[in-house]
Amino acid sequence: QSALTQPASVSGSPGQSITISCTGTSSDVGGYNHVSWYQQYPGKAPKLMIYQVSNRPSGISNRFSGSKSGNTASLTISGLQAEDEADYYCSSYTSSSTLEGYVFGTGTKVTV
Amino acid sequence: QVQLVQSGGGVVQPGRSLRLSCAGSGFTFGSYGMHWVRQAPGKGLEWVTVISYDGSDKYYADSVKGRFTISRDNSKKTLDLEMNSLRAEDTAVYYCGKDLPPGWVGMDVWGQGTTVTVSS
Repeated sequence: QSALTQPASVSGSPGQSITISCTGTSSDVGGYNHVSWYQQYPGKAPKLMIYQVSNRPSGISNRFSGSKSGNTASLTISGLQAEDEADYYCSSYTSSSTLEGYVFGTGTKVTV
Repeated sequence: QVQLVQSGGGVVQPGRSLRLSCAGSGFTFGSYGMHWVRQAPGKGLEWVTVISYDGSDKYYADSVKGRFTISRDNSKKTLDLEMNSLRAEDTAVYYCGKDLPPGWVGMDVWGQGTTVTVSS
């Protein structure tokens, strides 16, 4: 049950756009549209930002968008703001001959 | 408002057991799948286990399979995690999380987290 691969850190200036990648396999990211993204501030619980690859929950800014191509999902933050500085994790449903469940990415620290 | 309030946790010796609980309010608890997710100190999130809305289906991460048991009581709106044969590597903050409506995948409500420390 290997974690999905994310870059350790991504940085950008206020107003810029950044993209965080999340690479898995055909048993998880590539096989299902069950990819979600979470934002986490230090010492706080995670917050759902994107679900089903590209859907935003109510109340989430449209500056956050998600996409997927093959085994790689991506989260784009446009119009970067200071408050976006946090850790971001992707997650995917996973299913194989020996395992069914969910897997998180390694996490990406976003610096503004 | 919709919320999950966790209880339990603490310091426990290796090999011992511990039970975590998560109480839901502000939503129809029995209509949603529920998860446990953990985060070791300074590390990333790790999915632990999920239970379906009615308790009929349960799945576990390989790291806890055979040692942890997830359960729920929809009449009391509570979710539990029974942790047995605890190891040092189980030390983490444990979060409960509520699933989106059936057919959608994602945890849209999270508990406040509870710390489990496994140490002699």
